[in-house]
Amino acid sequence: DTGVSQDPRHKITKRGQNVTFRCDPISEHNRLYWYRQTLGQGPEFLTYFQNEAQLEKSRLLSDRFSAERPKGSFSTLEIQRTEQGDSAMYLCASSLFSGNTIYFGEGSWLTVV
Amino acid sequence: GQQVMQIPQYQHVQEGEDFTTYCNSSTTLSNIQWYKQRPGGHPVFLIQLVKSGEVKKQKRLTFQFGEAKKNSSLHITATQNTDVGTYFCAGLRSGATNKLIFGTGTLLAVQP
Repeated sequence: DTGVSQDPRHKITKRGQNVTFRCDPISEHNRLYWYRQTLGQGPEFLTYFQNEAQLEKSRLLSDRFSAERPKGSFSTLEIQRTEQGDSAMYLCASSLFSGNTIYFGEGSWLTVV
Repeated sequence: GQQVMQIPQYQHVQEGEDFTTYCNSSTTLSNIQWYKQRPGGHPVFLIQLVKSGEVKKQKRLTFQFGEAKKNSSLHITATQNTDVGTYFCAGLRSGATNKLIFGTGTLLAVQP
């Protein structure tokens, strides 16, 4: 499968714990995006990378959230000191260049208890 | 900030009936994309529209981009059970090509 892959697919964590999600984009896609989606809502933009550079961050991305793409390939999204409001599906997507179609991974479901 | 609204939020149709969802942006868009998300799944790309007034068809699906590039619609003819899911439009704001802003989505339920 050469699509966008995300790991883990599901994560249940206790409030206050840290969690990290990994995304492997479609190879050769230089743009990588993180979105968050809660039930009944559309995906909300969190941040985006072009190669290894993080070029834009949403105001939704509080100080507890950090994303990296160290070598311009895979990316990680870490949430520190999780809160119940962080419960959502975290979607990663990639595209070849600006304005092009973005392809989503299957998402990582986070439940904070 | 940019907002993208869709109506209706929910539509329940009998199999074989037509369905339309409408998408409206508060700002002019450089392009608009449509995605389908099945229950429990992830958004899957359907189509991209770029030109003012553009109309594209995919089998029973017809997509339109408004003349002012601020609205769009998706029409499904003779719905089938396989059409069930949430349909999202997503727009790229003119002059800002970095991120898609997703609409609120329309959930389609099809009754056999």
